[in-house]
Amino acid sequence: AQKITQTQPGMFVQEKEAVTLDCTYDTSDQSYGLFWYKQPSSGEMIFLIYQGSYDEQNATEGRYSLNFQKARKSANLVISASQLGDSAMYFCAMREGHGSSNTGKLIFGQGTTLQVKP
Amino acid sequence: DGGITQSPKYLFRKEGQNVTLSCEQNLNHDAMYWYRQDPGQGLRLIYYSQIVNDFQKGDIAEGYSVSREKKESFPLTVTSAQKNPTAFYLCASRKELNWEGNQPQHFGDGTRLSIL
Repeated sequence: AQKITQTQPGMFVQEKEAVTLDCTYDTSDQSYGLFWYKQPSSGEMIFLIYQGSYDEQNATEGRYSLNFQKARKSANLVISASQLGDSAMYFCAMREGHGSSNTGKLIFGQGTTLQVKP
Repeated sequence: DGGITQSPKYLFRKEGQNVTLSCEQNLNHDAMYWYRQDPGQGLRLIYYSQIVNDFQKGDIAEGYSVSREKKESFPLTVTSAQKNPTAFYLCASRKELNWEGNQPQHFGDGTRLSIL
């Protein structure tokens, strides 16, 4: 069965420093996709970054980058130059299925709460 | 601005009562999803729909029902059979552009449901 594991329930980082949030996944599919979302205390889910299993380059979006290590089945999120507004819960998610069986369904990890200290 | 609107923001349910959570999107997205989130936990899929008049059960569908009569709307009913409905409910939608599935799901602001 497909599964996402986030082993860090909570993390602290000093403002302006970089932080890495861990995500490991388990799947027998050759084609899959990995997403990271941010959930502030207000509750909405904000899409941050996507990595496809066949993408050769690590994904980057502004201050967010994804350290994708396929052999280790890990997809860690790196946030550079942390800001106070980065304090939130972060979720790693994996898309189920591919091709004609792709329903877009996501499996979510348990999340990591990040607190940025001034 | 296009987006996903969930209403109400807060909802209270009495014992034995059915309640319906609204989800409307004007993004012209094909697929819509309902998730449940318990405190400090990840999201779990309740139901999803890829096209109008068709929907599929997710991982925790028992005690819930949905309909998809219009592309824009995907209401979720929490029935009296759901014995522990207190949670945060999130609706999402996604544009089905290609088989690769790299289009992200876009989420509404959620509804917090509590039992009276």
